[in-house]
Amino acid sequence: NAGVTQTPKFQVLKTGQSMTLQCAQDMNHNSMYWYRQDPGMGLRLIYYSASEGTTDKGEVPNGYNVSRLNKREFSLRLESAAPSQTSVYFCASNGQSYNEQFFGPGTRLTVL
Amino acid sequence: AQTVTQSQPEMSVQEAETVTLSCTYDTSESDYYLFWYKQPPSRQMILVIRQEAYKQQNATENRFSVNFQKAAKSFSLKISDSQLGDAAMYFCAYKASGTYKYIFGTGTRLKVLA
Repeated sequence: NAGVTQTPKFQVLKTGQSMTLQCAQDMNHNSMYWYRQDPGMGLRLIYYSASEGTTDKGEVPNGYNVSRLNKREFSLRLESAAPSQTSVYFCASNGQSYNEQFFGPGTRLTVL
Repeated sequence: AQTVTQSQPEMSVQEAETVTLSCTYDTSESDYYLFWYKQPPSRQMILVIRQEAYKQQNATENRFSVNFQKAAKSFSLKISDSQLGDAAMYFCAYKASGTYKYIFGTGTRLKVLA
């Protein structure tokens, strides 16, 4: 039982490049989330997926797209990376029974 | 809109002593959940403790306990017998029942002094 996994762990991009962050969970959770963490700002929600087949914007969705590929996988895409997207990105999931979120190990992304 | 406020950016505690981290929140909901998460230098977010708003009894997990004051909208975390491994960022979080969004505070960095 790996929990929530994310790839890659680190990434450096140049301005304008695109990339996809991958996330998968093996806990049969319905809901999945993408957050970004910046110093002094806590975790801010980018997008979430309440269940397979649905996605919704969070607090800071601009510049990002998501895909809920199946119940296990939820990817985050940066189409044209900008320096303001330099951050640590976390994927999380939760089932309805306990309400707490389970987090992946995070991806540190630097955009030059 | 719901908000979560952690007014202490940084706290220090002597090893084996007790420390309390503060969290206040704003909501018009009556049914919700509150959480404390720990983020050590490894970056992994770890659930420390959870409180359901409908429960009057304060949650406790070993050395970690909360002081939940629903009327005051306060949810503080008390760490007893502090250990070096408790050094981390601590985040308070809120989720209204029946919704999907979690609201996080900005975090408190806890330093444990040997």
